[in-house]
Amino acid sequence: AQKITQTQPGMFVQEKEAVTLDCTYDTSDQSYGLFWYKQPSSGEMIFLIYQGSYDEQNATEGRYSLNFQKARKSANLVISASQLGDSAMYFCAIGGSYIPTFGRGTSLIVHP
Amino acid sequence: GAGVSQTPSNKVTEKGKYVELRCDPISGHTALYWYRQSLGQGPEFLIYFQGTGAADDSGLPNDRFFAVRPEGSVSTLKIQRTERGDSAVYLCASSLTGAGGLVNEQYFGPGTRLTVT
Repeated sequence: AQKITQTQPGMFVQEKEAVTLDCTYDTSDQSYGLFWYKQPSSGEMIFLIYQGSYDEQNATEGRYSLNFQKARKSANLVISASQLGDSAMYFCAIGGSYIPTFGRGTSLIVHP
Repeated sequence: GAGVSQTPSNKVTEKGKYVELRCDPISGHTALYWYRQSLGQGPEFLIYFQGTGAADDSGLPNDRFFAVRPEGSVSTLKIQRTERGDSAVYLCASSLTGAGGLVNEQYFGPGTRLTVT
């Protein structure tokens, strides 16, 4: 069984500042992947970043980085230099064998 | 290239009617997923196809829900005897098959908003 917990229903950040979105997980799989997706108000889910459970380095994709702490079962998303266009829902997901499980999401609002 | 497409974008139907929702994945993606997303929730897994076969349908809520992918490309989610509780956004996603069967990054369609009146 897999579970994702996102405890922050809403976050606010000033434009150009960094923000961290929290994600903790639970799984019985030895190998798994952790994903972050962005869902703007338009509704389409957009893949942001991936971390494999055996990856030793934290994943980075442009302004996105994933702070992976395996022992603590956390996979927090860090967005650097926030932009107004980053305002959206953000979902953390875990995928072991075949089936992905998503969290309830965090709403991020970037203020000018 | 073309992304994942879903039709219709919106569907309003009466309680008890039958509906079909279509998903056209990215060409070459062997894995296809259907999700249901209710307001304020994350996507809820329904069914996963690997090629033409349903590899896991454990997320389908009951036997009113059925999905097919006969040629390993386009998929149709079918809901019989719709109920008001079926109202949600139905999302489709496709991906390349991950190494060792692990979930890979998914590309989502824009979704179909189903409203059952």
